[in-house]
This record gives sequence, C-alpha cells and structure tokens, in this order.
Amino acid sequence: DAGITQSPRHKVTETGTPVTLRCHQTENHRYMYWYRQDPGHGLRLIHYSYGVKDTDKGEVSDGYSVSRSKTEDFLLTLESATSSQTSVYFCAISDRGRYNEQFFGPGTRLTVL
Amino acid sequence: DAKTTQPNSMESNEEEPVHLPCNHSTISGTDYIHWYRQLPSQGPEYVIHGLTSNVNNRMASLAIAEDRKSSTLILHRATLRDAAVYYCILKRGGADGLTFGKGTHLIIQP
Repeated sequence: DAGITQSPRHKVTETGTPVTLRCHQTENHRYMYWYRQDPGHGLRLIHYSYGVKDTDKGEVSDGYSVSRSKTEDFLLTLESATSSQTSVYFCAISDRGRYNEQFFGPGTRLTVL
Repeated sequence: DAKTTQPNSMESNEEEPVHLPCNHSTISGTDYIHWYRQLPSQGPEYVIHGLTSNVNNRMASLAIAEDRKSSTLILHRATLRDAAVYYCILKRGGADGLTFGKGTHLIIQP
C-alpha cells in the first residue's frame, strides 16, 4: 500500500471554528489531491497540488484553502467550518499526474455541528 | 472530462466472472479510461487503465471497444472481497484530479 496517512481520522467540531486536516505521504510523489465524498455524490475534487507551493482549485473549492510547504505534507483548511462541510475527506497522491493512477488515503470523517 | 454511464448496481455469484460495462460515447482521442473501486469504509483503489488496447493486470482485465465508446471491466473470478462500488473515469491530460460519477455497486452472492 502507498504510504499515505491522514490526520485526524475523525473530528467533530462546531460551526464557525477553523479546522485543518493533514495528509502525509512517504512516497515522494509530486501530485497531491483533496477530495470530499457525500452521500449521493461521487468524490469531488476540492484542491490539488502539482509541487511544493504550487496549488490549484478543484470543482468545490469555496470555503477551503490548502498549503504545501514540503513534498510530503498537504494541508486542507476550513477557515470557518459550516454544517455543509460535514463530509468524508480523502487525500490522494500521484507520481506523474496526467495518466498515472492515484493512491488514496484512508479518509477523515468530519462532522460540523 | 467526458461523461461516463454505468449501471447503478449489478449482482453476481462468488467464483464467477463479472463484466462491468461503461459507456463513454463522447470520449476524445486523448482520454484514458480508468477504473477505480471503493470498498466499504475505505478510500478508492486503482484497478486498471487503458487507452486503446485491452489491458490485463493482477486484479482485472479491461476490454475497450474498437470505437472506444464503451469499455468493460472484467473480474475473472469474483470473491466476496470484490463487493464494492466500481467507478469508470475518463482522464484527459493534466494534473487536475479525477471526476467520479456514482459508479456501479457490485454485489457478490456467496
């Protein structure tokens, strides 16, 4: 299995509080991704990174920011969490991006009350 | 990315082959066909991908129609562990992630 960990694995927070989710990889892959998964929807891309300090928006980026200060870590921040951001969040990595497979982490279940 | 169409669910018996169809009539020449699966309470897992020719790996086979407007994921001998949601995804060039549809929920009967 690809070396991807996500922390925390579960989190319950209140509306309006800031939340940061961490994705850590030991594979030295260049590309990293954050997705969210909700009932009735497939996974949807939030943000992605194509190198250190290089990030771009995905399909559902509103309300989220990301940072990547080193190859192995990709952080997803909810500046002020809302109930609509209750979801399961998955991180993924890829070594060549364009045509190569992505490897997914175990997910973080976030509940915003 | 172009759209794919998959059946909502399929059922098969353990130890029998399973053929999971995917239609992608608007596929472009540079789209790769990817398959992922997601077991309950886990992240998606890469299964296989191809461009024009049929592909085999240790998990499955991918049969691509000659006009590339459809493809079939073949599990040669299903086990209970293959029960999952299977996603057919078209991936154009670029590093901008995958577009997941709702996939096919595969049920395996013992």
